[in-house]
Amino acid sequence: DIQMTQSPSSLSASVGDRVTITCRASQGISNFLAWFQQKPGKAPKSLIYATSTLQTGVPSRFSGSGSGTAFTLTINSLQPEDFATYYCHHYNSDPSGRSFGGGTKVEIK
Amino acid sequence: EVQLLESGGGLVQPGGSLRLSCAASGFTFSNYAMSWVRQAPGKGLEWVSGISGSGVSIFYADSVRGRFTISRDNSKNTLYLQMNSLRAEDTAVYYCARVDSDYPDDYFDYWGQGILVTVSS
Repeated sequence: DIQMTQSPSSLSASVGDRVTITCRASQGISNFLAWFQQKPGKAPKSLIYATSTLQTGVPSRFSGSGSGTAFTLTINSLQPEDFATYYCHHYNSDPSGRSFGGGTKVEIK
Repeated sequence: EVQLLESGGGLVQPGGSLRLSCAASGFTFSNYAMSWVRQAPGKGLEWVSGISGSGVSIFYADSVRGRFTISRDNSKNTLYLQMNSLRAEDTAVYYCARVDSDYPDDYFDYWGQGILVTVSS
């Protein structure tokens, strides 16, 4: 099974900061990587799929990059509504082989 | 507008059964694969099961295979998860998620609000 490792597990940032979250796969996954945002008590919200394609309606301050085993989610000019937990997710292998990263909690400094 | 609404959760004793439902609206249900994903209290996300748009192709995580059964009724736009032989470690919020394809190997584009299942005596 492919393991997804996110770092850091948490970070503190201020409004207006640029934030970068890293996700590493235990083996190459091409570009089959998605990112979700989850706020406390709420359902996950799809942000990015295919490594860098923004889901409809997602602000352009969010961006994704990477390939193979290393991927990043970048939030430019962090906004108050962006404080949440972010998960990476590998898909498009054996459907039973889906895996999620452990999450990165973005907190207010 | 795509909407997914889970129901059927609650408190159940170890060894008991529960059936979750996910009512879908705002899209042609049969054109999309669906999945169940769970989140234990304070923990991360865990994929549970997936089903193709036609219902023919079905997949399970090792942790639930043989105990859980996923199904769908395309005439009712509803996804189900029958959970038997429940264990304490099955305690979680269960989400239904739409897959952006008719086969359950693509990314999740929409999620329901989740339903809590608590397994405890």
